Amino acid sequence: AQKVTQAQTEISVVEKEDVTLDCVYETRDTTYYLFWYKQPPSGELVFLIRRNSFDEQNEISGRYSWNFQKSTSSFNFTITASQVVDSAVYFCALLGGGSNYKLTFGKGTLLTVNP
Amino acid sequence: NAGVTQTPKFRVLKTGQSMTLLCAQDMNHEYMYWYRQDPGMGLRLIHYSVGEGTTAKGEVPDGYNVSRLKKQNFLLGLESAAPSQTSVYFCASSYPAGGGRLMNGNQPQHFGDGTRLSIL
Repeated sequence: AQKVTQAQTEISVVEKEDVTLDCVYETRDTTYYLFWYKQPPSGELVFLIRRNSFDEQNEISGRYSWNFQKSTSSFNFTITASQVVDSAVYFCALLGGGSNYKLTFGKGTLLTVNP
Repeated sequence: NAGVTQTPKFRVLKTGQSMTLLCAQDMNHEYMYWYRQDPGMGLRLIHYSVGEGTTAKGEVPDGYNVSRLKKQNFLLGLESAAPSQTSVYFCASSYPAGGGRLMNGNQPQHFGDGTRLSIL
């Protein structure tokens, strides 16, 4: 079975602070894929990034960066210089190689960025 | 460029009523899914389909039925709605993994905008 844990239920920061959202996963598959989604107050799910298990390079996209560490089974997401528009629920998700038809989601982290 | 379309977007039902949620995709995807989202629970898979005419149970299938009579449509039915089924429902679709079309670019699944269902 696979599992995704987002231990932080809610985080509140002040604008321009950096914030890191944690994601820890469990899977027995040797090949798997990790994702982050953003769900703004409007409710839709917005795909942010995918990372393959065989590619441990970290990635940066503007103010967003992701740190993938297989040794600790973690795929953390950092927002630099946060903005009010970053306020949303963020989900980490796992797609295992063996069950390659469905995503397993974490329970989400509600990020509130205050002006 | 419609992608995944869910109807209706909002609905209020009384306990015991029945209804069907419709999901339509125009990307020729083989796989389709129904999830429900509840506060603090993330998204949980209700049922899914790996092709026309096939369906399978997900994590929380009880109280729901599904049908995939056409490749582009995946219907979710509530035969006798209960207050515990108050939730936001998301439909998603994807290509099957493997065969050179893994992940359809970077996205594993394409999601609809959700249906907010309240049962009184």
